[in-house]
Amino acid sequence: KAGVTQTPRYLIKTRGQQVTLSCSPISGHRSVSWYQQTPGQGLQFLFEYFSETQRNKGNFPGRFSGRQFSNSRSEMNVSTLELGDSALYLCASSLALAETYEQYFGPGTRLTVT
Amino acid sequence: AQSVAQPEDQVNVAEGNPLTVKCTYSVSGNPYLFWYVQYPNRGLQFLLKYITGDNLVKGSYGFEAEFNKSQTSFHLKKPSALVSDSALYFCAVTLPGERQLTFGSGTQLTVLP
Repeated sequence: KAGVTQTPRYLIKTRGQQVTLSCSPISGHRSVSWYQQTPGQGLQFLFEYFSETQRNKGNFPGRFSGRQFSNSRSEMNVSTLELGDSALYLCASSLALAETYEQYFGPGTRLTVT
Repeated sequence: AQSVAQPEDQVNVAEGNPLTVKCTYSVSGNPYLFWYVQYPNRGLQFLLKYITGDNLVKGSYGFEAEFNKSQTSFHLKKPSALVSDSALYFCAVTLPGERQLTFGSGTQLTVLP
């Protein structure tokens, strides 16, 4: 079974621009979560989508948004990019069934904001 | 609010020796605990989890972890370290019904040949 895929793998953007990242979960997984990883703040939860609905959101500004499609694929958007948004953005998928809480992570998208 | 502490930024161990990577947690309620490993330029790989039941959990690649409720700890262990175990290890916690993971700061494990 194919793993979680994220596109693109690397991205360079300029401050003030916006960016969209994509995540395709493992087949059959209905929950998709997004995390930001930086050297200073570590791994931080952004949001989770389940059945096209945002279930939970971390402590990030409204510039960070996401959505999930009917096939469970998810996109994350960051508007008005700031230098501090440079990070590895990780997507994780889960079956979201009782006692199967483990999440499976994709390789991430490395975003550099200049 | 839940939190996870990994008190050691760096752990060095000789190949063949046992290794321990420490993790303590703070939650309101019964925790679900996880260990993940990250290799350079890769995402996180799931190693093992504690949901309920036996306090000693066995996972991938010979790793195991012991849930200790009284000490609020979930230390990762392996009886005999391999050079290929060198990586960044993260402990994470969530609560029943949630899927938001709260991660520790990570511990860089280096296994010396």
